[in-house]
Amino acid sequence: GAGVSQSPSNKVTEKGKDVELRCDPISGHTALYWYRQSLGQGLEFLIYFQGNSAPDKSGLPSDRFSAERTGGSVSTLTIQRTQQEDSAVYLCASTVGVSYEQYFGPGTRLTVT
Amino acid sequence: AQRVTQPEKLLSVFKGAPVELKCNYSYSGSPELFWYVQYSRQRLQLLLRHISRESIKGFTADLNKGETSFHLKKPFAQEEDSAMYYCALPCQGAQKLVFGQGTRLTINP
Repeated sequence: GAGVSQSPSNKVTEKGKDVELRCDPISGHTALYWYRQSLGQGLEFLIYFQGNSAPDKSGLPSDRFSAERTGGSVSTLTIQRTQQEDSAVYLCASTVGVSYEQYFGPGTRLTVT
Repeated sequence: AQRVTQPEKLLSVFKGAPVELKCNYSYSGSPELFWYVQYSRQRLQLLLRHISRESIKGFTADLNKGETSFHLKKPFAQEEDSAMYYCALPCQGAQKLVFGQGTRLTINP
């Protein structure tokens, strides 16, 4: 079966614009995670969804960041009024049940000019 | 709070030499620890987990509770081991992982 997919693979945007990043998890995986990967910062947790529970938003760096997961499957991470420091690779991962083995997508490289 | 520390951002060794990537953690109780790896132009993926006590691609990692460490070791490095390595442990009370900042390993020919 297909792994986690993300789109777009690359996104270049101007400072101040809004962007939407998409993640399609592995079918049947109940948990979905968003991370930000940047030089010097490592892998930074942003948000995670588990089934129908309220999402854990504790990692979102500011109120410009939001995410939703529709129908327990596809997720969209939205960054409003992008800033240059938002430039990074945004990774999505999914897991089945309560496993800690996370399956990662290829990432979206965001560049804010 | 749980914390994972990988003190080396960059590590370079020669092919055939032993390699050790350091990972220290803080955790209340008995943690389950993981190493994830990202090879060039590939996805981040699970390399090994300490509870399985197995060797993957020649790598092993032993949990040392006294030193709160989970160092990743390989006796003879290969060029294909060049990658970014992340140590991780579960966040207590939540179904998520806390990752270290990662170590970029380069194996020189």
